[in-house]
Amino acid sequence: GQNIDQPTEMTATEGAIVQINCTYQTSGFNGLFWYQQHAGEAPTFLSYNVLDGLEEKGRFSSFLSRSKGYSYLLLKELQMKDSASYLCAVMDSNYQLIWGAGTKLIIKP
Amino acid sequence: DGGITQSPKYLFRKEGQNVTLSCEQNLNHDAMYWYRQDPGQGLRLIYYSQIVNDFQKGDIAEGYSVSREKKESFPLTVTSAQKNPTAFYLCASSIPPGQGNDEQFFGPGTRLTVL
Repeated sequence: GQNIDQPTEMTATEGAIVQINCTYQTSGFNGLFWYQQHAGEAPTFLSYNVLDGLEEKGRFSSFLSRSKGYSYLLLKELQMKDSASYLCAVMDSNYQLIWGAGTKLIIKP
Repeated sequence: DGGITQSPKYLFRKEGQNVTLSCEQNLNHDAMYWYRQDPGQGLRLIYYSQIVNDFQKGDIAEGYSVSREKKESFPLTVTSAQKNPTAFYLCASSIPPGQGNDEQFFGPGTRLTVL
């Protein structure tokens, strides 16, 4: 079966750095997405990786290793507004998105 | 502004009643999707449509129906056959999958509660 694993919850301090990991086992691979979702709201797109390596976008970076079935989202200079759930999703060989359950990130002052 | 709208944001229905959730987009996207989100679980695909007048079942289509008569609209009906309909429903749209960074854009969601 297809599976996306990510930690259920993480806590970090304002101004610090946090890394959210995602491992996947899917039928084929056509890219990995990270989304941010505040409670009760729609997910919003953060990043897309299809090749191995690091993609940097401001305070957020995303890394992919296809051989290891592994990705991480790195958030720097954490702000209180970064408190949200972070969803990892992989596009499989049928171009369907397989979603992880999300990681709830709690930022403390 | 371009985007996706869903209405209503909150919906209450009695058990045994059918209910239709609306989804409209003005992004000129060909592909549209309906997901269900439950606490502690990832988004699960109910139905998707890659073109007008065509749609496909997702992983949990039982108890749901859709139509795609217009490019902009993809309404979802939750029927009385859906055994556990209380959930947060998200509609999304994208360019046709497989064309690169085909991120999905989401509407604000409808929280359905069946009493």
